Amino acid sequence: AQSVTQLGSHVSVSEGALVLLRCNYSSSVPPYLFWYVQYPNQGLQLLLKYTSAATLVKGINGFEAEFKKSETSFHLTKPSAHMSDAAEYFCAVSGPQGGSEKLVFGKGTKLTVNP
Amino acid sequence: DGGITQSPKYLFRKEGQNVTLSCEQNLNHDAMYWYRQDPGQGLRLIYYSQIVNDFQKGDIAEGYSVSREKKESFPLTVTSAQKNPTAFYLCASSIRLGEQYFGPGTRLTVT
Repeated sequence: AQSVTQLGSHVSVSEGALVLLRCNYSSSVPPYLFWYVQYPNQGLQLLLKYTSAATLVKGINGFEAEFKKSETSFHLTKPSAHMSDAAEYFCAVSGPQGGSEKLVFGKGTKLTVNP
Repeated sequence: DGGITQSPKYLFRKEGQNVTLSCEQNLNHDAMYWYRQDPGQGLRLIYYSQIVNDFQKGDIAEGYSVSREKKESFPLTVTSAQKNPTAFYLCASSIRLGEQYFGPGTRLTVT
């Protein structure tokens, strides 16, 4: 069974500082991996996805994530935080080779950006 | 504009009443999904459908029902059997094996 662990339910950074949100997954098959962002009382918006092409994936709003198979990780980073990045972030995994079209989500990390 | 619509945004019901949440998409996606979101618990899958007239239970299907009579529509009924129905409900759709696109959500409050 696939699972996702997001380390840290709350992360706080200063404006202009590096953002690092951690995601580790478990999957018996090569996974597809996703990061989504959710602003209060809204749906989820796709930030980026990994589908077995390049291991470094660039997304919207200056975010990127690196797939590390040896560490079963897919951490999300942004070099310089902006106030508008304050939101909740979800990592998700699916397993295309296993025929599963379901996503399994982590519990989310709420990012606070301090001025 | 293509997208997913959910209505209403806020919904209030009395305990013991069934309530139906609407989800419509014009993205021509085959697959549609319903999730429940509670604070600190992430998203949990209720039901999903990969094709018209077919759907499967997710991880927390008890107390919920769905139908998929049209490709564009995937309504969710929260029945009186659902013990704790107050939550934020999200609908999503996807092409086969693709990323999921989400609607804006419906916040259901049952008192």
